[in-house]
Amino acid sequence: KQEVTQIPAALSVPEGENLVLNCSFTDSAIYNLQWFRQDPGKGLTSLLLIQSSQREQTSGRLNASLDKSSGRSTLYIAASQPGDSATYLCAVTFLSGGGADGLTFGKGTHLIIQP
Amino acid sequence: GAVVSQHPSWVICKSGTSVKIECRSLDFQATTMFWYRQFPKQSLMLMATSNEGSKATYEQGVEKDKFLINHASLTLSTLTVTSAHPEDSSFYICSARDLARPTFSEQFFGPGTRLTVL
Repeated sequence: KQEVTQIPAALSVPEGENLVLNCSFTDSAIYNLQWFRQDPGKGLTSLLLIQSSQREQTSGRLNASLDKSSGRSTLYIAASQPGDSATYLCAVTFLSGGGADGLTFGKGTHLIIQP
Repeated sequence: GAVVSQHPSWVICKSGTSVKIECRSLDFQATTMFWYRQFPKQSLMLMATSNEGSKATYEQGVEKDKFLINHASLTLSTLTVTSAHPEDSSFYICSARDLARPTFSEQFFGPGTRLTVL
């Protein structure tokens, strides 16, 4: 069964710290990997998309890396701010469906940035 | 670009009634849309893949006769929860892919619909 796991489940850090969220997946045959942000009771905001041929993507203070062979991705958040507080979801499109499959989501990391 | 809307944003209904949720791609055409469900404190689970002009593909454990999906146009997919029961209360989110983009497999999500069945 193809699964996505996120560690830690929750994280609370003081404002200004750099932090890393981890994601692992059981099948290295992936099409792409996406990181999302979800605020309480809200929908998803796409943060970064990494294609299987890429090693990393950057957007502002966010950097996502992908190591397909080891089945891992990390989301690095620099100089964290209280507004970064949210649940961060990692999701994978596995290759079995030719990229046509839906996303398989991890359970998320609930992040709290203390002012 | 790549905006997806959902309607309604929330709905409360009585047990046994049917509820229809619409998912629209506002500025692009989407031959494929996906429907996900999220229970409280859980992650999103794929329910079904909706293809324009053909039958939806349902994930294992999802009842196709209970969750009716219609994808009649390139910009609209609907999910109808038939004979809803309290256990169907959940957050339903749709997504769509823009095949015209280089990253055509990237999914763009709607804001979600919160369904509460009394």
